[in-house]
Amino acid sequence: AQSVTQLGSHVSVSEGALVLLRCNYSSSVPPYLFWYVQYPNQGLQLLLKYTTGATLVKGINGFEAEFKKSETSFHLTKPSAHMSDAAEYFCAVRTAGNNRKLIWGLGTSLAVNP
Amino acid sequence: DVKVTQSSRYLVKRTGEKVFLECVQDMDHENMFWYRQDPGLGLRLIYFSYDVKMKEKGDIPEGYSVSREKKERFSLILESASTNQTSMYLCASSLSGLIYEQYFGPGTRLTVT
Repeated sequence: AQSVTQLGSHVSVSEGALVLLRCNYSSSVPPYLFWYVQYPNQGLQLLLKYTTGATLVKGINGFEAEFKKSETSFHLTKPSAHMSDAAEYFCAVRTAGNNRKLIWGLGTSLAVNP
Repeated sequence: DVKVTQSSRYLVKRTGEKVFLECVQDMDHENMFWYRQDPGLGLRLIYFSYDVKMKEKGDIPEGYSVSREKKERFSLILESASTNQTSMYLCASSLSGLIYEQYFGPGTRLTVT
């Protein structure tokens, strides 16, 4: 069965500091992995995705994530946090079979302090 | 760009009312999804549809039904709204194929009093 675990429901960083949001997954098929961001009172927006190929994936707004198969991880990083990065972040993995669903983590709320 | 629109951003309904939430996508996507989002519980799938008139239950279908009469439109129906259905409702769509990337609408915050 597929599952996603996001370590830390709340993360707080200072402006300019490194952002690290953790995601571990389990999957019975080659994983397709996603990070989405949700700003207050908005829907979810795709940050980046890994399907095949290069394991370091770059996304929008300076974020990147590295797929590590041996660690079953797909952690999201950004070298320098900005106030505008304060949001909810969700990690997701595709399900097995052809039903096109995603399995979602519970989310991590990122606060950026001035 | 893909656009997914939802009929209302905020909605207040009374207990026992029948509630319709509408979602429209403009990119000819085959798959459409309805989620509810509650603090600490993440996104939970209510129903999804992979074709016109086709639907499958998600993880929490109780108290909800759906309708997909046209490819671009997916409706969520609360037959008799209850206070425990107060939540944020998110619609999403995706192409068939292997990528699974979903595109989301802005959400409808429903309050049932």
